[in-house]
Amino acid sequence: NAGVTQTPKFRILKIGQSMTLQCTQDMNHNYMYWYRQDPGMGLKLIYYSVGAGITDKGEVPNGYNVSRSTTEDFPLRLELAAPSQTSVYFCASTPQGEANTGELFFGEGSRLTVL
Amino acid sequence: AQSVTQPDIHITVSEGASLELRCNYSYGATPYLFWYVQSPGQGLQLLLKYFSGDTLVQGIKGFEAEFKRSQSSFNLRKPSVHWSDAAEYFCAVDSWGAAGNKLTFGGGTRVLVKP
Repeated sequence: NAGVTQTPKFRILKIGQSMTLQCTQDMNHNYMYWYRQDPGMGLKLIYYSVGAGITDKGEVPNGYNVSRSTTEDFPLRLELAAPSQTSVYFCASTPQGEANTGELFFGEGSRLTVL
Repeated sequence: AQSVTQPDIHITVSEGASLELRCNYSYGATPYLFWYVQSPGQGLQLLLKYFSGDTLVQGIKGFEAEFKRSQSSFNLRKPSVHWSDAAEYFCAVDSWGAAGNKLTFGGGTRVLVKP
């Protein structure tokens, strides 16, 4: 069971470039999330989704976009990369309903550097 | 708005000694509280959680945490630390509602274990 898989693990971007961080989960979870982690700041919620076709903004959505066309996939798009987006990005998921114990299941992270 | 504070950025402890990590939260309703651990280069793993009932909760790897409503605290403890406990620890509170679990994280405490 792969769980939550994120690609790429590392990426260096130039200012103004675009890229997509991929996230896929094989646990049939309805809820999916994107967080960014910055030193001393913990994790901040960027976007989340409660099911295919439904997305909503979290605490720090500016500069990002998401889509959720399937239950499995929740890609995060950076349109015009800025140095402030240098961070480690984590995707997470959790089931809906009675199977939800409150625990989020995290991927291993994607480290992005914008120069 | 909810918030979580972890006052200690770094803690160094000798192997075999006891460990206590502090967490204070601000939340208007009954909180759902979590502790997660992040080993180097890894995603986050749930250590334990508190929803209701007994205020002393047991988790994995020999950790426990105590919920004190009067102090708005949820401190994590371990009686005897092992070298493998060196990691970063995050306290989180959940705004669990119809829109899905959305965790608010503290800034984290990095634990170093001396031999």
